[in-house]
Amino acid sequence: AQTVTQSQPEMSVQEAETVTLSCTYDTSENNYYLFWYKQPPSRQMILVIRQEAYKQQNATENRFSVNFQKAAKSFSLKISDSQLGDTAMYFCALIGAGSYQLTFGKGTKLSVIP
Amino acid sequence: DAGVTQSPTHLIKTRGQQVTLRCSPKSGHDTVSWYQQALGQGPQFIFQYYEEEERQRGNFPDRFSGHQFPNYSSELNVNALLLGDSALYLCASSRTGQGVLEQYFGPGTRLTVT
Repeated sequence: AQTVTQSQPEMSVQEAETVTLSCTYDTSENNYYLFWYKQPPSRQMILVIRQEAYKQQNATENRFSVNFQKAAKSFSLKISDSQLGDTAMYFCALIGAGSYQLTFGKGTKLSVIP
Repeated sequence: DAGVTQSPTHLIKTRGQQVTLRCSPKSGHDTVSWYQQALGQGPQFIFQYYEEEERQRGNFPDRFSGHQFPNYSSELNVNALLLGDSALYLCASSRTGQGVLEQYFGPGTRLTVT
């Protein structure tokens, strides 16, 4: 069984500042993929960033980057230069390489304050 | 290029009734997954359809069933509705072999059971 844990139900950050969202996971798979999804009030789940577990280099997408610590089973998301449009629920998710099932955490509600 | 579409947007049903939700995948996608997202929770995997067959199923009772049509669109059916079935139902589509890399989500159907 796979589990994903997000220990921060809510966070807030000032516009233009940096914020880090935490995620830990557990899996018995040797090869897997980790994701951060964003769900704004419009409800549409949008992929923010993806990390392949076999890659040591941390993924980066513009203002979004991850800190992937495989041994510690930790996968945090850093948002730099926060913008009002970043306000949303953020979900950490995991899928095994041979699976079709995404396992999600409970989410972190991020509010960007003007 | 249309993304994933779902219908209806909202639905109110009475306990014991049956409901059908519909999903059209993103153009070029042939695989459809369904997720249930209860209020304040992360999405939970119900099942995935590929080549008109259920390929993998999550921990949901048989009251939840589905179908995939030759044009890759899909339906989720829930029988004998319970109050606990009230949730946002998300559909996600992907291309064969790419599902572990990214699943594109629709805006969801909000089901309320009274």
